[in-house]
Amino acid sequence: EVRLVESGGGLVQPGGSLRLSCAVSGFTFSDYYMDWVRQVPGKGLEWVGRTRDKLNSYSTDYAAFVKGRFTVSRDDSQKSLFLQMNSLKSEDTAMYYCVRSGKVPWLDYWGQGTLVTVSS
Amino acid sequence: SVLTQPPSASGTPGQRVSISCSGSSSDIGSDYVYWFQQFSGSAPKLLIYRNNQRPSGVPERFSGSKSGTSGSLAISGLRSEDEAHYYCAAWNDRLTVWVFGGGTKVTVL
Repeated sequence: EVRLVESGGGLVQPGGSLRLSCAVSGFTFSDYYMDWVRQVPGKGLEWVGRTRDKLNSYSTDYAAFVKGRFTVSRDDSQKSLFLQMNSLKSEDTAMYYCVRSGKVPWLDYWGQGTLVTVSS
Repeated sequence: SVLTQPPSASGTPGQRVSISCSGSSSDIGSDYVYWFQQFSGSAPKLLIYRNNQRPSGVPERFSGSKSGTSGSLAISGLRSEDEAHYYCAAWNDRLTVWVFGGGTKVTVL
């Protein structure tokens, strides 16, 4: 069974940092791209960024709003995905989901999400 | 949102409901359309991929299509359990980002 479990969310002050993790099981993690998608409570889905697999040099892509503040990384040996978030703003308050990607059908498995609240 | 969806759609049980998703030549026009279903308090679930393909376990009453820079999701034989939010998505190859629609709330009357 494919499982993705996010952790690391919580309350952080504006300007602060947070590192989200996503532990996966049930598939060969190293073969897939992995994405982060966020959702402001009561609003729509917004793609954050992705890391490709080793075959593609673990290259990354980011949404424009990230602007160098967020970094997606992975540890294939630990089957884990990470999202380092710095210079957090109130508008970054959202549920953050890790999502499996990179092979058909793409974006096919989602974690349950971890809630990040940026507030003083 | 980059992709445009109607905010709401509704129908009675058994009816057919259709949801549109309008994009551009850089996203839907040059790649596939994907659809996700999300129930309140739950994570999104992939419903349709590559315009019209259903992952295993998705009922046949859900179907997708694409024409030019627009995609469409149809739910035939609407059921009460189909009441949820539905989001379209596509890869934008110019921006190298995934783009989503704003979501459509489907209500079963």
